[in-house]
Amino acid sequence: DAKTTQPPSMDCAEGRAANLPCNHSTISGNEYVYWYRQIHSQGPQYIIHGLKNNETNEMASLIITEDRKSSTLILPHATLRDTAVYYCIVRVYNFNKFYFGSGTKLNVKP
Amino acid sequence: GAVVSQHPSRVICKSGTSVKIECRSLDFQATTMFWYRQFPKQSLMLMATSNEGSKATYEQGVEKDKFLINHASLTLSTLTVTSAHPEDSSFYICSADNSYEQYFGPGTRLTVT
Repeated sequence: DAKTTQPPSMDCAEGRAANLPCNHSTISGNEYVYWYRQIHSQGPQYIIHGLKNNETNEMASLIITEDRKSSTLILPHATLRDTAVYYCIVRVYNFNKFYFGSGTKLNVKP
Repeated sequence: GAVVSQHPSRVICKSGTSVKIECRSLDFQATTMFWYRQFPKQSLMLMATSNEGSKATYEQGVEKDKFLINHASLTLSTLTVTSAHPEDSSFYICSADNSYEQYFGPGTRLTVT
């Protein structure tokens, strides 16, 4: 069962930063936060994951609060191609199963 | 990242027939693969875990006799939708796990007429 809550949709102007929040208030100490996105009619694409430290890669940054009950995915310069549904998922590392929540539909507008 | 392929990408079949969907991990061996189903405007729903060399484990509410899963090798899992009906029309997605991440296939659009 999904253990995360996300806003159903968000808008962002092209070129601006997109900040997508996720609430995971029941997260356990050994659970990681993963972010995936799904562009229409495609399989989900991995973005980033983290445990408690902030993480950054070529796609995005992940900010996890100190109590780990929420996190924010940051796309620093959103483009039209970033329009997708973004899923925040928590799972125990190396435990395999992903349960997807409803995700956030990000609309990047010109 | 790793590549997972699915075949076919789209399939249309008649009600009552069976359809097989293949999922392949192309550049790593996956002892575990997963099958998901996604209806329009909904999220992905985990159907089952496919384990190489052993029986699949199904999520609650998923009929194992209707959705047959075979994981005969470390790079191939198949999902067979038996006696398909229009309500089985959906987007089926597989994923392969290498213990660090799950890599998802591009999905198979099944339409049952």
